[in-house]
Amino acid sequence: AQTVTQSQPEMSVQEAETVTLSCTYDTSESDYYLFWYKQPPSRQMILVIRQEAYKQQNATENRFSVNFQKAAKSFSLKISDSQLGDAAMYFCAYRIFGAGSYQLTFGKGTKLSVIP
Amino acid sequence: DGGITQSPKYLFRKEGQNVTLSCEQNLNHDAMYWYRQDPGQGLRLIYYSQIVNDFQKGDIAEGYSVSREKKESFPLTVTSAQKNPTAFYLCASSPGQDRYGYTFGSGTRLTVV
Repeated sequence: AQTVTQSQPEMSVQEAETVTLSCTYDTSESDYYLFWYKQPPSRQMILVIRQEAYKQQNATENRFSVNFQKAAKSFSLKISDSQLGDAAMYFCAYRIFGAGSYQLTFGKGTKLSVIP
Repeated sequence: DGGITQSPKYLFRKEGQNVTLSCEQNLNHDAMYWYRQDPGQGLRLIYYSQIVNDFQKGDIAEGYSVSREKKESFPLTVTSAQKNPTAFYLCASSPGQDRYGYTFGSGTRLTVV
């Protein structure tokens, strides 16, 4: 079974600084997708960024970027120029490619606090 | 606007009662999912459905039941057999292709009183 591990239950960052959230996963598959979701206090889940495992280039969405290390099975999220609105739970998630079932496996999350 | 609607937002249940959580989507998505979220546990999959009239158990299906009679609807029933039902429940949908993530509803907070 695939597992997703987020080793940092809580993190904090000063406003305008950069923070990196860690995620590792365990899989024997060669093709898969990885996601980062944000859950603010409203508890609405929001897709932040997505990475296809067959792509070597790291995904970027504005202030959010990933460092995808396929051999190490690592998928960290970097948030640049942190803003107060970035304070949230962040979940890393994994999906097998082409398995015919599309469910995501989630990590337990990292709670990010932003200090003004 | 397209999206997923979960209702109610808050639900209180007496012990021994069954309750049903509603999930409706107008995104024309094929696949729908139910997750349970507990503090420190992340999201755990209860049931999922890839097509109408078909669904599969997830990792923690015991004490829950679902139906998928319409593409738009995927209600979750929390039965009296569920030992610890107090949790936050999230419904999600996806187009049924690998590259897409989920679209989530806003969740239902269930409390047993």
